[in-house]
Amino acid sequence: NAGVMQNPRHLVRRRGQEARLRCSPMKGHSHVYWYRQLPEEGLKFMVYLQKENIIDESGMPKERFSAEFPKEGPSILRIQQVVRGDSAAYFCASSSGTEAFFGQGTRLTVV
Amino acid sequence: DAKTTQPPSMDCAEGRAANLPCNHSTISGNEYVYWYRQIHSQGPQYIIHGLKNNETNEMASLIITEDRKSSTLILPHATLRDTAVYYCIVRADNYGQNFVFGPGTRLSVLP
Repeated sequence: NAGVMQNPRHLVRRRGQEARLRCSPMKGHSHVYWYRQLPEEGLKFMVYLQKENIIDESGMPKERFSAEFPKEGPSILRIQQVVRGDSAAYFCASSSGTEAFFGQGTRLTVV
Repeated sequence: DAKTTQPPSMDCAEGRAANLPCNHSTISGNEYVYWYRQIHSQGPQYIIHGLKNNETNEMASLIITEDRKSSTLILPHATLRDTAVYYCIVRADNYGQNFVFGPGTRLSVLP
């Protein structure tokens, strides 16, 4: 059973471009969580999704950020018009309802 | 906000037991205690979780006090590879609950 897969592992975008981060949950998991970690800071919750539903998006910035978890395929975290402050590690986790397992993250660098 | 309090840092000698405390005095009856760790900038790793009984797995033991207001994670024979930030999280396994990470305890295992 493969773990949580995130891709790409590293992503470089110029200011103003779009960033798409993908997360494939573990087999059988229908819950996905996204977290952001700025350099030398803690893990901040962004959004919690189940298949086709956003359960809690209280940690998502109001603009430019969106997330989805379609019926088929990976969960996507989308950042439009990236700015330098979006540079961070983005982690996703999946769960079947109890413990969550994390991927290795996508490190986004905005230049 | 995290519902737990942990010391910011601890040291432990290699080969000795590492005992990491966590206070969760406002824990509710349906909330579990979860432990995760993050080694350097990797994705957080699930360690163990419990409700009220002590738990043990191949990685660690979790001791929860009878009143459930505090717990201790025990790494029985710490190695250098156990150097990480350890997070204690309180979470109900109800629909819609995410994992809230506080600052954690930075454990340094010393040779």
